[in-house]
Amino acid sequence: EAGVAQSPRYKIIEKRQSVAFWCNPISGHATLYWYQQILGQGPKLLIQFQNNGVVDDSQLPKDRFSAERLKGVDSTLKIQPAKLEDSAVYLCASSLAGGGTDTQYFGPGTRLTVL
Amino acid sequence: QKEVEQDPGPLSVPEGAIVSLNCTYSNSAFQYFMWYRQYSRKGPELLMYTYSSGNKEDGRFTAQVDKSSKYISLFIRDSQPSDSATYLCATPNQAGTALIFGKGTTLSVSS
Repeated sequence: EAGVAQSPRYKIIEKRQSVAFWCNPISGHATLYWYQQILGQGPKLLIQFQNNGVVDDSQLPKDRFSAERLKGVDSTLKIQPAKLEDSAVYLCASSLAGGGTDTQYFGPGTRLTVL
Repeated sequence: QKEVEQDPGPLSVPEGAIVSLNCTYSNSAFQYFMWYRQYSRKGPELLMYTYSSGNKEDGRFTAQVDKSSKYISLFIRDSQPSDSATYLCATPNQAGTALIFGKGTTLSVSS
């Protein structure tokens, strides 16, 4: 079974530029998550989708971050404009149903450096 | 107070040692706890989960929850260099949807 795919793996941008990340979850998984992991910290949820609807985006900085999940499959996360403090690894995860006890499978992440 | 607290270490042990990794949590309503393992430049992967109080064993790994003290532990017996990774404790948020993670403890096992 293929895992969660993410691209790009690495991205370096200047502050105030925009950037987009892409995620392809495990086939058949209804729930998709985007987490932000700052160096030395645990992952922090940014947004959760159930199929193509948003379940939780309470910690998404909506003035600069946006995300969409088209047709309930792939998802993109965008940052515009980027700030220095956005330097982090952006992890995508998926789970079959989305309950709190449902196993989440993580992709390898996209490492973003903002200069 | 953070909902899940974890000492980031780093922790260095020789091969064969018994390792104890610990977390504390603040909300007594939390009942389901997970340990994720994250290798360098990889995403986290689920290692073990436990419900409420008690122990759960899986090979060389034992997860333990003490609800009275709000303490979560992961024990690794006969540690191996391949166990070198960051270990993250986690629990579902109050909505029961996404996970709240600790900071992670970085473990290094030397041969």
